[in-house]
Amino acid sequence: ETGVTQSPTHLIKTRGQQVTLRCSSQSGHNTVSWYQQALGQGPQFIFQYYREEENGRGNFPPRFSGLQFPNYSSELNVNALELDDSALYLCASSLAAGGDQAFFGQGTRLTVV
Amino acid sequence: QKEVEQDPGPLSVPEGAIVSLNCTYSNSAFQYFMWYRQYSRKGPELLMYTYSSGNKEDGRFTAQVDKSSKYISLFIRDSQPSDSATYLCAMVNYGGSQGNLIFGKGTKLSVKP
Repeated sequence: ETGVTQSPTHLIKTRGQQVTLRCSSQSGHNTVSWYQQALGQGPQFIFQYYREEENGRGNFPPRFSGLQFPNYSSELNVNALELDDSALYLCASSLAAGGDQAFFGQGTRLTVV
Repeated sequence: QKEVEQDPGPLSVPEGAIVSLNCTYSNSAFQYFMWYRQYSRKGPELLMYTYSSGNKEDGRFTAQVDKSSKYISLFIRDSQPSDSATYLCAMVNYGGSQGNLIFGKGTKLSVKP
């Protein structure tokens, strides 16, 4: 078990709605990254937060946004949900923003109907 | 061409077999290489973390990196039914002070008793 926890574990939303996913990073880790994993695919990088600032972003539209709090926990917000947003959303924490080992939470499975 | 290529399998082996999992990549700037194990409906679990070319062994697992060929491997000796999972290779893509993981699609492994 890593020290990374995500909530909720499952979520069903309707197209057009907004959703907030939460992540508590492992103790001592100041970097949080979010990934989207579609069925049968590897995780895709959404963005990374380092010391409360966005520190890199993948190829995702602006309706995917995030926050990191002073205790290094993080939120992922998705507006105007689309059916293709249905996926497993993974949070990973690491000790530093670079190539340090990243530890994942169990994920939030989002279904958009 | 995708940055990281991984045969999705599925791969089925008898218990006790040696398993070989592989990934190729195209970006010669990748320096850190990881293997994650992901059980169904769970987050990825870090198995091996290596830097640069060479071998690294941890129990029944050996990670091998050949940067000249842009090829990485994970070997599992004396495979067990509990090793049945999807195995994801990942590499770190650096952009200045931040790095994110680039994943393969994952190989689904089944070890039969």
